[in-house]
Amino acid sequence: SYVLTQPPSVSVAPGKTAGITCGGNNIGSKSVHWYQQKPGQAPVLVIYYDSDRPSGIPERFSGSNSGNTATLTISRVEAGDEADYYCQVWDSSSDLPYVFGTGTKVTVL
Amino acid sequence: EVQLVESGGGLVKPGGSLRLSCAASTFTFNNAWMSWVRQAPGKGLEWVGRIKSKTDGGTTDYTAPVKGRFTISRDDSKNTLYLQMNSVKTEDTAVYYCTTDSHGTYYHYMDVWGKGTTVTVSS
Repeated sequence: SYVLTQPPSVSVAPGKTAGITCGGNNIGSKSVHWYQQKPGQAPVLVIYYDSDRPSGIPERFSGSNSGNTATLTISRVEAGDEADYYCQVWDSSSDLPYVFGTGTKVTVL
Repeated sequence: EVQLVESGGGLVKPGGSLRLSCAASTFTFNNAWMSWVRQAPGKGLEWVGRIKSKTDGGTTDYTAPVKGRFTISRDDSKNTLYLQMNSVKTEDTAVYYCTTDSHGTYYHYMDVWGKGTTVTVSS
């Protein structure tokens, strides 16, 4: 089945920019979606279709996808952005069509 | 605002059964594809299975570890999704989330999530 690899952790100072990568074989040919999960809460969709934001998600959240890496970028990081972030793709050819990344813990210093 | 509320979680012995429910409100449930996603303690997200809308065939798909043991169904008259869990194993211990499945030809994503219900499998 398709594998998505994320760094276990990313640390960033308030006001700076955080980049969270999601690696997969030719992931640029797939649509990538991103979820934010704060401690004790359900995940929330923050980016879909590589770079679109659902209603209510701040413009500080953006996404890109090319080659073997997709990236979620959080600009002007705030303390409230501290959470786990998961990427996700749909792989129609796989026996596991809905694939989540391993998750990245973002810590705001 | 779309709302999903799961219920039915609890403590169950290995080999036992449990049925989870997910009540949906404020959207056209009968047109929606729905998924269950679980998260074991301290672990990442794992897709469990999906059911299509009846107009799209109402068929189901499952991840390999639960195939043959879990069954997803829906009652559109009650706006409710179900997950029947049989022959449960300790590794099924997790928070189970009900989600909507937004999709196009080449993509699927979960745009609305319930708060989850906790299933603990232990003797």
